[in-house]
Amino acid sequence: GENVGLHLPTLSVQEGDNSIINCAYSNSASDYFIWYKQESGKGPQFIIDIRSNMDKRQGQRVTVLLNKTVKHLSLQIAATQPGDSAVYFCAENTGYGGATNKLIFGTGTLLAVQP
Amino acid sequence: EPEVTQTPSHQVTQMGQEVILRCVPISNHLYFYWYRQILGQKVEFLVSFYNNEISEKSEIFDDQFSVERPDGSNFTLKIRSTKLEDSAMYFCASSLRQIQMNTEAFFGQGTRLTVV
Repeated sequence: GENVGLHLPTLSVQEGDNSIINCAYSNSASDYFIWYKQESGKGPQFIIDIRSNMDKRQGQRVTVLLNKTVKHLSLQIAATQPGDSAVYFCAENTGYGGATNKLIFGTGTLLAVQP
Repeated sequence: EPEVTQTPSHQVTQMGQEVILRCVPISNHLYFYWYRQILGQKVEFLVSFYNNEISEKSEIFDDQFSVERPDGSNFTLKIRSTKLEDSAMYFCASSLRQIQMNTEAFFGQGTRLTVV
């Protein structure tokens, strides 16, 4: 049959507003998490990462929050700009430091920034 | 800034034909990966490669797939007999060390494979 792609969740924000993108992960054994940004026609680009022994990590304009109790990860982008428009993926790894280098990607969220 | 480069950017092939997708990882990186993304879907892990051998592979990476690092700079993915469902964007990635904090995997821009 025809391969129908998943419908991406979409977050539409005004330029200058803060954005919050959410991700639910499935594997309670995952101990390392990464947020990637994917612009149209390009490969995933690393934004920020966090280990399971942390619940918050901040970068430049971005913050990642991890709630292991409910297996939830979020990415906060401050003062969202048109250049932030992209698909954002969370990715998890279950073998921090060596057991596995495989990244398991989530479905993705399309962030649309309105000028 | 160093980057992972992939060629070609788009490959069209007939079903049953062999294709080779090429990648030049970042020069001092030691770990190499292939991922694929079917249009509109998740990025899926295919295989990881270290020290000239496969270190891990997914269920997708069956006997039709193979990887090679023929000359110390290129990293290739070969699909022996392509099927329609192999149509996807294929991403090569590399990392300096094993995946961990402060060791990110850098992705190439992808090769779009279309099997007709």
